Amino acid sequence: QKEVEQDPGPLSVPEGAIVSLNCTYSNSAFQYFMWYRQYSRKGPELLMYTYSSGNKEDGRFTAQVDKSSKYISLFIRDSQPSDSATYLCAMSSQGAQKLVFGQGTRLTINP
Amino acid sequence: KAGVTQTPRYLIKTRGQQVTLSCSPISGHRSVSWYQQTPGQGLQFLFEYFSETQRNKGNFPGRFSGRQFSNSRSEMNVSTLELGDSALYLCASSQTGQGAGNRFFGPGTRLTVL
Repeated sequence: QKEVEQDPGPLSVPEGAIVSLNCTYSNSAFQYFMWYRQYSRKGPELLMYTYSSGNKEDGRFTAQVDKSSKYISLFIRDSQPSDSATYLCAMSSQGAQKLVFGQGTRLTINP
Repeated sequence: KAGVTQTPRYLIKTRGQQVTLSCSPISGHRSVSWYQQTPGQGLQFLFEYFSETQRNKGNFPGRFSGRQFSNSRSEMNVSTLELGDSALYLCASSQTGQGAGNRFFGPGTRLTVL
């Protein structure tokens, strides 16, 4: 069993829809939770990060962490075609150099 | 500020050969980490260097090695290439390389082993 599980999709939704992306994990030592976005032929770029449990909002993006359930989510409101990309969750423990990534979910927003 | 650069962008090699990939981090960043990305396994951590010292290594065979120079540039080497080494190799630079410190990824080197 992988430390981080993420549904690879693909996920296709119409423009303007609310998108929900999720990851589950098994390592209770994880303290930092991140979401990266990766466009085709590009490296991942950090979208949001959260320390421990709670919610964080940045514009149309909201990240949620539920450590009791070992479950994290990313919500995208008013989705745009430019949001079409692969979304990767990533986690690390305190002081760790290593990020553990989910498989990535390929998202397409249809105009 | 210039981003992370990786060279070459594309490589084609045959089994048994060796390859060296290069990564130049963002100016001022002292940490460089390397990841292998494949459709089957996703992104997997290879190793991380900080101030020329390897601080952490992932679960890869000894054929995978790396180093970091005094100017923070890093190289990774794969010897005796196997078909399964075909992947996108990404490097990420950061100031600390720890915790939630933002890691900036380069565009990657696409390695194809024939």
